[in-house]
Amino acid sequence: GENVEQHPSTLSVQEGDSAVIKCTYSDSASNYFPWYKQELGKRPQLIIDIRSNVGEKKDQRIAVTLNKTAKHFSLHITETQPEDSAVYFCSASIMGYGGSQGNLIFGKGTKLSVKP
Amino acid sequence: DAMVIQNPRYQVTQFGKPVTLSCSQTLNHNVMYWYQQKSSQAPKLLFHYYDKDFNNEADTPDNFQSRRPNTSFCFLDIRSPGLGDAAMYLCATSNRDDEQYFGPGTRLTVT
Repeated sequence: GENVEQHPSTLSVQEGDSAVIKCTYSDSASNYFPWYKQELGKRPQLIIDIRSNVGEKKDQRIAVTLNKTAKHFSLHITETQPEDSAVYFCSASIMGYGGSQGNLIFGKGTKLSVKP
Repeated sequence: DAMVIQNPRYQVTQFGKPVTLSCSQTLNHNVMYWYQQKSSQAPKLLFHYYDKDFNNEADTPDNFQSRRPNTSFCFLDIRSPGLGDAAMYLCATSNRDDEQYFGPGTRLTVT
């Protein structure tokens, strides 16, 4: 089955710097890669996702890149702000086939701290 | 607003005393999921329903059961909670092949 590795487990940056979180996946059939942000005690919230037919997607200060050949994808946050502090989870699934293949497989998470 | 609602938000139960957590949705999604999330860990899928079809993860303990009486509601039953079952329980919904929306979660404490 699919396995998702996420690095680093913790990341501390100064406000205004960029943050990069990297994930690798094992199943080449995976074609949907959402990223979730989870603040302490709150629900995971989707912040950006990418499907395997594109290599990059950007939404304001957040971007995600996907390298299908290497089977890795990354989250980039520019001009970080203290409110970006949270745990970020990458995930992967296989869309288009239904059933359990559509279930999300999560990485273990990255705790991002943005220092003012 | 369309949303995923979980009740209660906080639940305290005694060791071995059955407990039921509920989830409802106004999104009319056909898939509903139950996750268990322990501190500093990723959400772990327990089971999901695609419409009325129940799908159990292989490593979900028999102590955990689920019911989906209709499209809008899904319940998680823990028959005999142990101390190790203390966690945040997250419900999520999606349409097939689309993003998942998470509810706010129920924090379960076992005394």
